[in-house]
Amino acid sequence: EAGVTQSPTHLIKTRGQQATLRCSPISGHTSVYWYQQALGLGLQFLLWYDEGEERNRGNFPPRFSGRQFPNYSSELNVNALELEDSALYLCASTHRDSMRNEQFFGPGTRLTVL
Amino acid sequence: AQKVTQAQTEISVVEKEDVTLDCVYETRDTTYYLFWYKQPPSGELVFLIRRNSFDEQNEISGRYSWNFQKSTSSFNFTITASQVVDSAVYFCALTSYNNNDMRFGAGTRLTVKP
Repeated sequence: EAGVTQSPTHLIKTRGQQATLRCSPISGHTSVYWYQQALGLGLQFLLWYDEGEERNRGNFPPRFSGRQFPNYSSELNVNALELEDSALYLCASTHRDSMRNEQFFGPGTRLTVL
Repeated sequence: AQKVTQAQTEISVVEKEDVTLDCVYETRDTTYYLFWYKQPPSGELVFLIRRNSFDEQNEISGRYSWNFQKSTSSFNFTITASQVVDSAVYFCALTSYNNNDMRFGAGTRLTVKP
């Protein structure tokens, strides 16, 4: 069974640009979560999508947004990039009916803002 | 509010030593879930264990064991006879039954030297 996949692996942008990160959950999983792992700040919860709707949002500004598509894949968009947005962005997925709240993580997208 | 504290930032041991990673959590919820994840240098988080708040039985899986103590709000992780391949950052995480916002500790970087 294929795991959670994320693309691209690495992304380099300049300040002020927009970044789009993609995530494909494990087949059959309906929920997708996004996390930011910035240096020195650990893992911070960004967004949770389930059945195409945004269910919860972490303490991030509105320029962090996303969506979930009918096939349950998801996009994370970061507008007006700032230097401190440089981080590893991890996506995770869960199946509604499986072991409650167990999240399976993808390999991450490393975003570098210059 | 939910919070996870991993007081040990970095631990270094020599191969074959036993090592315990501490995790202390705070939550007002009566039903919650605790996790341990391993993040090797590749960056992808690997699920190790999930424990729900009603199950205080300790668990052993090979060289790994977990000690859940509700009275002290701790969920410690012990690696017996450590190996170089155990070198990674280990995260403890908490989520409640009603909220999929998973809170992670800051992580403990374990280095196992040959």
